[in-house]
Amino acid sequence: NAGVTQTPKFQVLKTGQSMTLQCAQDMNHNSMYWYRQDPGMGLRLIYYSASEGTTDKGEVPNGYNVSRLNKREFSLRLESAAPSQTSVYFCASSEVDTPWGQFFGPGTRLTVL
Amino acid sequence: KQEVTQIPAALSVPEGENLVLNCSFTDSAIYNLQWFRQDPGKGLTSLLLIQSSQREQTSGRLNASLDKSSGRSTLYIAASQPGDSATYLCAPAGGTSYGKLTFGQGTILTVHP
Repeated sequence: NAGVTQTPKFQVLKTGQSMTLQCAQDMNHNSMYWYRQDPGMGLRLIYYSASEGTTDKGEVPNGYNVSRLNKREFSLRLESAAPSQTSVYFCASSEVDTPWGQFFGPGTRLTVL
Repeated sequence: KQEVTQIPAALSVPEGENLVLNCSFTDSAIYNLQWFRQDPGKGLTSLLLIQSSQREQTSGRLNASLDKSSGRSTLYIAASQPGDSATYLCAPAGGTSYGKLTFGQGTILTVHP
């Protein structure tokens, strides 16, 4: 099992450009999450999807959109990138009422110039 | 809003010492609490998950305790090794935000030979 995979691993954008971060999991989990990690701010939840067909805002959703494409895939889109969105982005997945909690992907390091 | 504090922020110890990392959280109505490890430039690896009904959980040299009523969790690392060097993150889940994690800033641990 690959677990949670993310593409790309690194990306550099110019202000105003758009891009989509891809996430896929092969653990048949219902819930998926997007976090960003910034120095001094820790990890913060951007959006989550409790189950296929549903998405909800987290703590810092402004400037982002998400799509739960199917049970396996959850994408994060930046429509018009800003320097404040320079960060490391992590995708995670989990299943309710299991003893294993959330599993995280390796992250995407995004720089917006 | 859940707030999580981890103490100490950084810790440097010689190999072989037993360690205690502390985590406190403001909203005691949690569903579970997860401890993670993060190596530099890497994703998060789940170490232990404690359900709200449990008092502690053990995995190898790691033991995590939970006192939900006082909003505290402790991660105990026995006989520390240089390979334990990493950032340790505490993340309670649930309360009014079921399944969503709120992260502390982490404790940066360095174990020197």
